[in-house]
Amino acid sequence: DTGVSQDPRHKITKRGQNVTFRCDPISEHNRLYWYRQTLGQGPEFLTYFQNEAQLEKSRLLSDRFSAERPKGSFSTLEIQRTEQGDSAMYLCASSGKRFQETQYFGPGTRLLVL
Amino acid sequence: AQTVTQSQPEMSVQEAETVTLSCTYDTSESDYYLFWYKQPPSRQMILVIRQEAYKQQNATENRFSVNFQKAAKSFSLKISDSQLGDAAMYFCAYRSALQGGKLIFGQGTELSVKP
Repeated sequence: DTGVSQDPRHKITKRGQNVTFRCDPISEHNRLYWYRQTLGQGPEFLTYFQNEAQLEKSRLLSDRFSAERPKGSFSTLEIQRTEQGDSAMYLCASSGKRFQETQYFGPGTRLLVL
Repeated sequence: AQTVTQSQPEMSVQEAETVTLSCTYDTSESDYYLFWYKQPPSRQMILVIRQEAYKQQNATENRFSVNFQKAAKSFSLKISDSQLGDAAMYFCAYRSALQGGKLIFGQGTELSVKP
């Protein structure tokens, strides 16, 4: 069983540019979560998919953020018109079909907006 | 809304000794799950231990155990026989049994282990 993978691992961009991150969950995991973690803080929930359906979005997810999970497999998180405040680690996690199953995290994508 | 609080930003322990990390949470729900995750420097977050709120027995995983006090809304992590590899940021997390599945994390406790 390969773990959750994320790409890229690091991204440096200029303010105003668009960026897209990808997450590949553990195979057959139908639930996928995105979190954002700023330096010295715990992760904060952004959004959640069950299969291809986006079931919950945090108020942290402004209109500049969009997430998709086509066909219920990998997921992408896009940030449009990046701002310096978007600089953070973006974490993806997946879990299995049973609701109480543990979430397994990927290595994260570290974003720096200059 | 549920909240999780870790009041110890940093802790230190001597190798082979025991250390306890504190966590309190606030919720009006009766059914939920609690977790401790470990995040080593520049490495991904991994699950240390989990506790179902309906279980009275405290969870144990090898050198890691919890003290779950439901009435006090307290969930501490005890690490016995500390090893250098235990050095990491530790996060306490809450998940509702009813809604969604998102984790609500505390601010974290940075644990250092002295040889």
